[in-house]
Amino acid sequence: GQQVMQIPQYQHVQEGEDFTTYCNSSTTLSNIQWYKQRPGGHPVFLIQLVKSGEVKKQKRLTFQFGEAKKNSSLHITATQTTDVGTYFCAGPSSGTYKYIFGTGTRLKVLA
Amino acid sequence: DVKVTQSSRYLVKRTGEKVFLECVQDMDHENMFWYRQDPGLGLRLIYFSYDVKMKEKGDIPEGYSVSREKKERFSLILESASTNQTSMYLCASSLAWSGANVLTFGAGSRLTVL
Repeated sequence: GQQVMQIPQYQHVQEGEDFTTYCNSSTTLSNIQWYKQRPGGHPVFLIQLVKSGEVKKQKRLTFQFGEAKKNSSLHITATQTTDVGTYFCAGPSSGTYKYIFGTGTRLKVLA
Repeated sequence: DVKVTQSSRYLVKRTGEKVFLECVQDMDHENMFWYRQDPGLGLRLIYFSYDVKMKEKGDIPEGYSVSREKKERFSLILESASTNQTSMYLCASSLAWSGANVLTFGAGSRLTVL
């Protein structure tokens, strides 16, 4: 079945350093979504990418959808302690309502 | 401003007990989902429903059943709880399939089976 993998599983950075997480799907995706889950919280929608090669920015966060629509990345510039949490990508299983989530990347920011 | 409400934040049950996890959404969403979250495994889909009384299995439906008698309510049932069902359970809802729907999650229900 369809699989969505994320790397790395964990990342510790010093405050002010950059951070990137990568998402890879075993199948082509019609779109990809990114969610953030704060410690003790629930996943909250960040952004959605639909077009091949699309790049979107939200302040210090840059999201990219691969040309083949099978991979995506989230890059955070100059991390802050408020960026702490687990970042998930999610893509729809072909022809269904099912959103398959990646394994997540847990980010810890050291002040 | 709560939009997806899960009835219990923490539950402790014994092996063999029947467990009900309730989820209610007030956004008139057609789709509702139950996910299970475990460390290192991400979110895994148990069941989802795209309409009242309609349900489809997700990736890990074994040991679970669901009920959707009303549009706003989606229940997850563990007929006979086992220790390997100790986990965080997340309910979510979304608008009907448009190829680009966003999931809104509840706060989660952390279940411990002893």
